Amino acid sequence: LAKTTQPISMDSYEGQEVNITCSHNNIATNDYITWYQQFPSQGPRFIIQGYKTKVTNEVASLFIPADRKSSTLSLPRVSLSDTAVYYCLVGSYNQGGKLIFGQGTELSVKP
Amino acid sequence: GAVVSQHPSRVICKSGTSVKIECRSLDFQATTMFWYRQFPKQSLMLMATSNEGSKATYEQGVEKDKFLINHASLTLSTLTVTSAHPEDSSFYICSATDGPDTQYFGPGTRLTVL
Repeated sequence: LAKTTQPISMDSYEGQEVNITCSHNNIATNDYITWYQQFPSQGPRFIIQGYKTKVTNEVASLFIPADRKSSTLSLPRVSLSDTAVYYCLVGSYNQGGKLIFGQGTELSVKP
Repeated sequence: GAVVSQHPSRVICKSGTSVKIECRSLDFQATTMFWYRQFPKQSLMLMATSNEGSKATYEQGVEKDKFLINHASLTLSTLTVTSAHPEDSSFYICSATDGPDTQYFGPGTRLTVL
């Protein structure tokens, strides 16, 4: 399973765009990249998933370069309620769907 | 869609007793369910992978006789912490997948062993 590396923490202010980059140098051909958000004492919540290039949904965008060795989660115009831990994971169903969580990035949004 | 529930949300028990935690996929059939444990200020740690009708696969260092997992149907998996001790106090989270590469997580169960 590919190991991921993210910044441990990030600070931002309300209304700013936040970009969190994740490194996954050993990503396998079948691996998808998935980002989750976790609030204290809650289970992780799915944010976005992609395989290559760019994916956008109603809450975030995911940018994946051609070599797929990294990915960037982009949160537009963050609010205080976006303060949470964000996890980047790589894995595939071909590997039994296992996900190994790294440290995650603790995002703090200030007023 | 893709809702996973857990019951109970929190439980307090005495040392030496057993506790059962249920994980249900409410609107899809889960081919695989996973159990995680999370200590304060730490990341999630995968404990075991559970497939319906077969024995669970435990991660290295997880005692299978202490953490009993049963996956009786495509919508229900249970984790039983046997002879719980204070060091088993933690936040237990399950997830479920229906095949494609996305896991959906339950809200978690806070276990406190006195």
